Amino acid sequence: NAGVTQTPKFQVLKTGQSMTLQCAQDMNHEYMSWYRQDPGMGLRLIHYSVGAGITDQGEVPNGYNVSRSTTEDFPLRLLSAAPSQTSVYFCASSYSPGASGGYTFGSGTRLTVV
Amino acid sequence: GQQLNQSPQSMFIQEGEDVSMNCTSSSIFNTWLWYKQDPGEGPVLLIALYKAGELTSNGRLTAQFGITRKDSFLNISASIPSDVGIYFCAGQLGNTDKLIFGTGTRLQVFP
Repeated sequence: NAGVTQTPKFQVLKTGQSMTLQCAQDMNHEYMSWYRQDPGMGLRLIHYSVGAGITDQGEVPNGYNVSRSTTEDFPLRLLSAAPSQTSVYFCASSYSPGASGGYTFGSGTRLTVV
Repeated sequence: GQQLNQSPQSMFIQEGEDVSMNCTSSSIFNTWLWYKQDPGEGPVLLIALYKAGELTSNGRLTAQFGITRKDSFLNISASIPSDVGIYFCAGQLGNTDKLIFGTGTRLQVFP
C-alpha cells in the first residue's frame, strides 16, 4: 500500500497564481484532513472531510477550497496565492481520527509564494 | 481557534537522560495522541490514549491522559540519538471529528 500520497513535493508560486495540491489515499479511509505547518505554530487544521461529498472548515480555512468527490482523493485549492500561504502542507487520512489512533500523514508539500 | 499549549518548546539533552513534555488545554478532549516528526517527513503516531487517567507505554515512551481530560504528558526514558525530532500532542475535540495539534516540542539529543 502507498498510504497517503501528496503531490507535488515542492512548489513555487507567484502571488496571485492558483494551484491545486493533490492528496490520494489507498486505505479506504473516510476521514481526510489538510494541515499547514509553520515554525512555532505546530500543525493547524485547514479543512477536513468525513466522507465523499462532505467537507468542513478547520482552524485556518481562509484562502483555501476543498472538495471530496471520491473517497480516495482530497485536493486542496489555492485560488489566489499569497505570501502568507508559504508553508508546508500535510494531508492525512484515517478510518476514525479519535477511535483508531489518529491520522496517517503524507510526506508533505513545501509551498513558497513569492 | 482551539489551541493546545505544549511545553517545553525545545529541549537539549544528553544521551541517556529522561525527557518529559506536556500538553494542556482549556477544552476537554476525548482522545489524546502523541506524534513524532522527523525532518522532511510527516508526523508518525507514537501513542494513543482514549480514557481519562489512562497510562500507556510503547517501549521507552510513556504517556498519560489527564484526569481532567484537559492535559496529557509524554515521557521518554534513556534517550538515544534517534529520538531527535519534533514531538506533537494532538487531541480530538469533544464530539467533533477534528484533530487539533499542539505547537510541538523540538528535541535535540547530544552524545
